[in-house]
Amino acid sequence: ETGVTQTPRHLVMGMTNKKSLKCEQHLGHNAMYWYKQSAKKPLELMFVYNFKEQTENNSVPSRFSPECPNSSHLFLHLHTLQPEDSALYLCASSQEPSGIASTDTQYFGPGTRLTVL
Amino acid sequence: EDKVVQSPLSLVVHEGDTVTLNCSYEVTNFRSLLWYKQEKKAPTFLFMLTSSGIEKKSGRLSSILDKKELFSILNITATQTGDSAVYLCAPAMNYGGATNKLIFGTGTLLAVQP
Repeated sequence: ETGVTQTPRHLVMGMTNKKSLKCEQHLGHNAMYWYKQSAKKPLELMFVYNFKEQTENNSVPSRFSPECPNSSHLFLHLHTLQPEDSALYLCASSQEPSGIASTDTQYFGPGTRLTVL
Repeated sequence: EDKVVQSPLSLVVHEGDTVTLNCSYEVTNFRSLLWYKQEKKAPTFLFMLTSSGIEKKSGRLSSILDKKELFSILNITATQTGDSAVYLCAPAMNYGGATNKLIFGTGTLLAVQP
């Protein structure tokens, strides 16, 4: 499945580092999402971008900073993370407009496994 | 508060068995319900259900939604070891003027033994 790609696939960083996660979708979608998946917890929505505009941030700490330069690319900038931020970070995309149930399907990338030391 | 409960949490079966996975939900502004399969990394899409009582099928997998009782089931017949995965249920909801929002359950871990 190459519809949604993410890099890097694995990342180990110290608490003082700054790094970025990248997501790219090749499906022609116009909405993109960041999710966090911690062990034994449901996927948690972090950010939503619809037509490049952020429409949801779900009370995510400011040490996570998203960027969506166009409808195909999404970044998650990381700085001064904590060990509890170690998780699988998943990117997804879907086709809007909102309000039409037939477009609800979100397609996921393979994720970035992040470890914060 | 929006809530999704999947049961059982985990299940071990033998190849050839039939399994039923359950998902109950309480979600405001419900729009549809999606099922995903997650093996190692990316959840892969299985079904999207919008109407009650209409079964969707894909090979050995099928699913149905009951919008009155607020639950869905995912059936897998003649299970194979390749069916081993976490199965995620995710109702989709309208969220103000934003895109759709999926609320995920913790999933059911299915292990199919040879």
